[in-house]
Amino acid sequence: DIQMTQSPSSLSASVGDRVTITCQASQDISNYLNWYQQKPGKAPKLLIYDASNLETGVPSRFSGSGSGTDFTFTISSLQPEDIATYYCQQYDNLSLFTFGPGTKVDIK
Amino acid sequence: QVQLVQSGAEVKKPGSSVKVSCKASGGTFSSYAISWVRQAPGQGLEWMGGIIPIFGTANYAQKFQGRVTITADESTSTAYMELSSLRSEDTAVYYCASSDDYGDYQAIWGQGTMVTVSS
Repeated sequence: DIQMTQSPSSLSASVGDRVTITCQASQDISNYLNWYQQKPGKAPKLLIYDASNLETGVPSRFSGSGSGTDFTFTISSLQPEDIATYYCQQYDNLSLFTFGPGTKVDIK
Repeated sequence: QVQLVQSGAEVKKPGSSVKVSCKASGGTFSSYAISWVRQAPGQGLEWMGGIIPIFGTANYAQKFQGRVTITADESTSTAYMELSSLRSEDTAVYYCASSDDYGDYQAIWGQGTMVTVSS
């Protein structure tokens, strides 16, 4: 099975800061990587698919990059409404999915 | 745009089974993949398995193989997830989710169904 790690597990940043989260796969997954945002008590929301594609309607301050085993998720200017937990998710050719452990983001 | 509405909360005894439904409305159901994802209290997201209704064959995460069954009824645009041999660790919110295209992602989510396993 492909294992996913995320770092950091949590972070505090100020409004307007640039926030970066990394996700690493235990083996090459090409660009088969999605990013989700989950606010407390709510269902997850897809932000980025296929490593770098912004889902329709998602603000452009969110972005993703990477391929192979190393991926980065960035919020270019943190807003109060971005307080949430962020998960990476890999998938394979059989459409089997695995989530990373998550990164909790809050305001300093 | 498809909307997914799940069945209500359940309380089950250890060793029993639970079946959660997920009804789609407002768009295409049969062609896009439906996944089931669970989240134990205070824990992360866990993908359990999925199905493309028009094909009818489900695939499952290894952890749940043999204990979960995912089905879909195209006539009612409803997907189902049945989990058997329940134990306390299965207490979680269970979500259904769908892609909105032929992509490998979950773009549309149900509201979640709380399943509590307790003696």
